[in-house]
Amino acid sequence: QQQVKQSPQSLIVQKGGIPIINCAYENTAFDYFPWYQQFPGKGPALLIAIRPDVSEKKEGRFTISFNKSAKQFSLHIMDSQPGDSATYFCAASKGGGYNKLIFGAGTRLAVHP
Amino acid sequence: NAGVMQNPRHLVRRRGQEARLRCSPMKGHSHVYWYRQLPEEGLKFMVYLQKENIIDESGMPKERFSAEFPKEGPSILRIQQVVRGDSAAYFCASSPPLGGAQEQYFGPGTRLTVT
Repeated sequence: QQQVKQSPQSLIVQKGGIPIINCAYENTAFDYFPWYQQFPGKGPALLIAIRPDVSEKKEGRFTISFNKSAKQFSLHIMDSQPGDSATYFCAASKGGGYNKLIFGAGTRLAVHP
Repeated sequence: NAGVMQNPRHLVRRRGQEARLRCSPMKGHSHVYWYRQLPEEGLKFMVYLQKENIIDESGMPKERFSAEFPKEGPSILRIQQVVRGDSAAYFCASSPPLGGAQEQYFGPGTRLTVT
């Protein structure tokens, strides 16, 4: 019940494409869903986060879609660039974020020029 | 505004030695979380602390690992008698006091290598 399942494990797109990364969870007590971006040798950087009372949130080229009934959420990266090549992690927590984050296994994204 | 700071960035220890990892949260943040990341894997929660209190240590191994966040100074993750399986990247995150933004911001990590 504590797991967050993330797919795909790896993803290759061409510049300008729209990679989509999916996550699914079981625990209905989760109420905070952030996405993090990690470059090799660096710490995870918060990209965007959503609460279950909205179905979509957009910040710049990054969009989260949230389906509460299906217990799924996804990250879309519009007009992807080679600089977006990184590992992306979804996560979930209870208590609005003041709690441990349960992370997905990560998606390694490569954006080719 | 400085971000979350961790030191050392790299730490090499022989089996049986002690490792001490330090984390200074962002200015104004009073919540600290420690996570461990094995190569090619996601992050696993270890412990959640507020000043002078351990809130949740459900992810901490029962032996050899301890954490503290004293009234003054950084949070410390201590690993006694390290073994090869402790080799990993250890990340600290911080978040502001209750009532503020709820995001967790991560430091650059300490990469521990046990030889």
